Amino acid sequence: NAGVTQTPKFQVLKTGQSMTLQCAQDMNHNSMYWYRQDPGMGLRLIYYSASEGTTDKGEVPNGYNVSRLNKREFSLRLESAAPSQTSVYFCASSNPLGLAGVGEQYFGPGTRLTVT
Amino acid sequence: AQKITQTQPGMFVQEKEAVTLDCTYDTSDQSYGLFWYKQPSSGEMIFLIYQGSYDEQNATEGRYSLNFQKARKSANLVISASQLGDSAMYFCAMRFNAGNMLTFGGGTRLMVKP
Repeated sequence: NAGVTQTPKFQVLKTGQSMTLQCAQDMNHNSMYWYRQDPGMGLRLIYYSASEGTTDKGEVPNGYNVSRLNKREFSLRLESAAPSQTSVYFCASSNPLGLAGVGEQYFGPGTRLTVT
Repeated sequence: AQKITQTQPGMFVQEKEAVTLDCTYDTSDQSYGLFWYKQPSSGEMIFLIYQGSYDEQNATEGRYSLNFQKARKSANLVISASQLGDSAMYFCAMRFNAGNMLTFGGGTRLMVKP
């Protein structure tokens, strides 16, 4: 099992450009998440999808959109990149507490995005 | 609003000694869960240990244990017999209510000295 995979690993954008970060999981998890991690800080939730067909805003959703393409895939789109979106982006997945385990989230390796 | 605080930006510990990483939280919810994650320099997030708010016993996983003091709203991570490979950032996170969303603390950088 690959777990949670993310593409690309690194990306440099110019201000105003758009891009989509891809995430896929092979653990049959119901829920998926997108976080950003700024230097020296913890992770902040951008958007999440509790189950296939649903998405909701997290703590810092401005400037982003998401698509839950199917149970496996959850993409994050930056429509018009800004320097403030320079960060490391993590995708994660989990099952609800009680379904299996304690609802712990499994993370992908991250995408390091720089916006100049 | 839920909040997680890790007051130690960085800590040193001698190899083979035990170390405690502090985590305090603020919530008015009765049902919540506390997680600790490790982030090595390679960047991935690794789940270490979990404590539910209704769990009466402190959680343990190998060399990791959680000192859960509900009245004080603290959930400190104890690492016994530190190893060089324990050098990493450590994040405390809280899941609140019935949702699965996590709120993360700012992290503690642990450095293990040989």
